[in-house]
Amino acid sequence: AQSVAQPEDQVNVAEGNPLTVKCTYSVSGNPYLFWYVQYPNRGLQFLLKYITGDNLVKGSYGFEAEFNKSQTSFHLKKPSALVSDSALYFCAVRDKGSSNTGKLIFGQGTTLQVKP
Amino acid sequence: DGGITQSPKYLFRKEGQNVTLSCEQNLNHDAMYWYRQDPGQGLRLIYYSQIVNDFQKGDIAEGYSVSREKKESFPLTVTSAQKNPTAFYLCASAPPGRKSTDTQYFGPGTRLTVL
Repeated sequence: AQSVAQPEDQVNVAEGNPLTVKCTYSVSGNPYLFWYVQYPNRGLQFLLKYITGDNLVKGSYGFEAEFNKSQTSFHLKKPSALVSDSALYFCAVRDKGSSNTGKLIFGQGTTLQVKP
Repeated sequence: DGGITQSPKYLFRKEGQNVTLSCEQNLNHDAMYWYRQDPGQGLRLIYYSQIVNDFQKGDIAEGYSVSREKKESFPLTVTSAQKNPTAFYLCASAPPGRKSTDTQYFGPGTRLTVL
């Protein structure tokens, strides 16, 4: 079964420091991986995705993610955190079952807290 | 949140009532999805539709129903058979075609509370 794990419920970082939000996956074949961010009582906003090609994917708001096939990871990173980055972050993988539903399988989410 | 709207933003339901959540998109997307979000559990798929007049059950469809009579609309009804409906409901849509690489875009959500 395909799955996504976000091992940290919460990540705390000081403003200006680099941040990493971790994601590992378990899929058959090549994964299609996504990162979304959610602010309180709002919908999810798309940040970036990995389909193929360069292992370092750049996305919105200065975020990037590194695809590592050997470690089955897709960690989200940002060189310098902002207080406004504080939010709930979701990693997701596309369900590649035979029905090709387009369904996303989500991790449980990681709360990022950036302190001034 | 793009061109996807959900209404109402907050909804209160009494025991035994059916309620309908609205989802409309003006992005010309073929596929639409309904997810349920509970604290600490991520998002779970309720129903999805890849084309007008067609839809399929997701992982937690029991107690829910949908329709897809128009391309831009995918309403979700939470029936009295849903035993624990209090949650945040998110609608999403994806571009034309059925590519696995397509990005899903989400609406702002509806928070449903059972009184």
